[in-house]
Amino acid sequence: YELTQTPSVSVSPGQTVTITCSGDKLGHKYATWYQQKPGQSPVMVIYQDKKRPSGIPERFSGSNSGETATLTISGTQAMDEGDYYCQTWDGTTALFGGGTTLTVL
Amino acid sequence: QVQLQESGPGLVKPSETLSLTCTVSGASVNSRSSYWGWIRQSPGKPLEWIASMHYGGSTYYSPSLRSRITISLDTSKNQVSLTLKSVTAADTALYFCARDNRDGGTQQFDFWGRGALVTVSS
Repeated sequence: YELTQTPSVSVSPGQTVTITCSGDKLGHKYATWYQQKPGQSPVMVIYQDKKRPSGIPERFSGSNSGETATLTISGTQAMDEGDYYCQTWDGTTALFGGGTTLTVL
Repeated sequence: QVQLQESGPGLVKPSETLSLTCTVSGASVNSRSSYWGWIRQSPGKPLEWIASMHYGGSTYYSPSLRSRITISLDTSKNQVSLTLKSVTAADTALYFCARDNRDGGTQQFDFWGRGALVTVSS
């Protein structure tokens, strides 16, 4: 089982960006999203498809249906630059996507 | 706030065994809804899950690493440990410890340590 992410995406400050994660029947599982800034450990920004942990800004939202989970960042800020990883659990194995590098131009 | 701190040797010779320890504070490793896991990240590469374990004994291993890894919990010290046998240069990575939260039957890594850098070299 694999999770596929677009390697890179760019966005202008203040705009909305979507980062996708594809996998066979991914919508039947829960998706989690992590943000990782250079030199730092990952931070969970979305869990159970669409829930935000305490302290994560409202501009982060998630959805998951069919084959694709989506992370949306509305009103993107420069501080949102970094790598984003999707992750799921298939019952016995945790799987991470290959990651998407978000650049805020 | 849950905090995790990894510790390890830094440098390991090829074919030897790598041992890492993660000290947990702010939570107990014998929490019913928590597993405890290890994830690694080779330079410039994505995250790779290694293993997760519950204090009750339930353990899950990455299929690609299963033959070489052991994860264990020490409830007296509130620590999580990982051993990786027969290391090669491909095992050079930043090794993260994380809480593998299974609350409500779901699964997510909600708290992470800062990572321990391990280099495999002679």
